[in-house]
Amino acid sequence: GAVVSQHPSRVICKSGTSVKIECRSLDFQATTMFWYRQFPKQSLMLMATSNEGSKATYEQGVEKDKFLINHASLTLSTLTVTSAHPEDSSFYICSARDLGGQRNTEAFFGQGTRLTVV
Amino acid sequence: DAKTTQPPSMDCAEGRAANLPCNHSTISGNEYVYWYRQIHSQGPQYIIHGLKNNETNEMASLIITEDRKSSTLILPHATLRDTAVYYCLAWAGSYQLTFGKGTKLSVIP
Repeated sequence: GAVVSQHPSRVICKSGTSVKIECRSLDFQATTMFWYRQFPKQSLMLMATSNEGSKATYEQGVEKDKFLINHASLTLSTLTVTSAHPEDSSFYICSARDLGGQRNTEAFFGQGTRLTVV
Repeated sequence: DAKTTQPPSMDCAEGRAANLPCNHSTISGNEYVYWYRQIHSQGPQYIIHGLKNNETNEMASLIITEDRKSSTLILPHATLRDTAVYYCLAWAGSYQLTFGKGTKLSVIP
């Protein structure tokens, strides 16, 4: 299957600093990428959707100025958690789709990033 | 996307078949049944999907009832590495995947 690479897999940062998470589609062009957040013992919750070359669409309750998403190319999307606080500690997962391609009904997921804010 | 209902947890003895049920009584005609699983601290992994017919691949089998209101994912010979949360989704491939709470499968030695 297609590969989506997410980096870093684990990061610890100090409160008030910013953290960038990268999501790359390695063998297909991801026209659309999704960012999810998962708290312990809970399911994945969609945070935002990004389309290459345009602004991201955020779900209700997700602060767009805090969670900056950039989808500058068809193979890379980044999520930057700005001014991180302990309550932002979570498991962040990206998903990529090629809506214009032959595999347009499949969703591929990264390995996830465990963020701990201390 | 139609809502799905799964039992919160199940146990299965190692080497035995694991049968995971899913109800999707409001599924529409263009929605497929998808199964993903999430092993602890990893991203979701695609398992299988189907529309009407039963499907089988190297990981699992998917049995969909004739009325399409429910389905069963079968792991024929469960191993300890199959311990994970299994998500059943009804999805037309329209946009994002929406995850429910899934079934936590514990494979017991």
